[in-house]
Amino acid sequence: IVLTQSPHTLSVSPGQPAAISCKSSQSLLHRDKKTYLYWYLQRPGQPPQLLIYEASNRISGVPDRFSGSGSGTDFTLRISRVEAEDVGIYYCMQSVQVPPITFGQGTRLEIK
Amino acid sequence: QVQLVESGGGVVQPGTSLRLSCVASGFSFSSYAIHWVRQAPGKGPEWVAGISPDTTKKYYGDSVRGRFTISRDNSANVVHLQMNTLRADDTAVYYCAKDGPRIEVVPAAPGDWGRGTRVTVSS
Repeated sequence: IVLTQSPHTLSVSPGQPAAISCKSSQSLLHRDKKTYLYWYLQRPGQPPQLLIYEASNRISGVPDRFSGSGSGTDFTLRISRVEAEDVGIYYCMQSVQVPPITFGQGTRLEIK
Repeated sequence: QVQLVESGGGVVQPGTSLRLSCVASGFSFSSYAIHWVRQAPGKGPEWVAGISPDTTKKYYGDSVRGRFTISRDNSANVVHLQMNTLRADDTAVYYCAKDGPRIEVVPAAPGDWGRGTRVTVSS
């Protein structure tokens, strides 16, 4: 399964919204009714951090300005008001068929 | 709190072997699947392998299947990645990660990650 993210780079002013798209080559809805799509943020010099699981569920401790939506093959990560600490590379990831687990190519978020 | 500490990385020649270890603490180790994920310099993450909580099911990425073996010892809270016939394109930081946030039999998503151990394969 191939995940395609867009845009490759996003430049956003503090306080402005941002959106990242992730499109899958196959449906990520499993027969168990869960959607196996996840979102990560990798800040410079750190391992990736899980933000959103099963397309729309925020991990405990993740600010509520982050939200995930979508179904089937089309998904979106939204940041309602970008802050400086949100800089990094965002990856979507799927695990509807294991193996393998696959990641998107990443979207770099920069602050204007 | 959840801690995962990888070790065993280093510089090795092509064709040789290396064994990575990951010691876990701060959670019920035997309840969670564990992943190995690697990241080559300047590239995105690549999922390498996963193992079920009870050790019975093991899963591998296409690029490592047949060369790498994942194992775990639930009595010692440790996961290993045995890497054989190493190639230059195996050069990466290797991360160990706890599955999460749900308890799943089949590895679903790396949740908590270690800091990684660097593997360089070069002649």
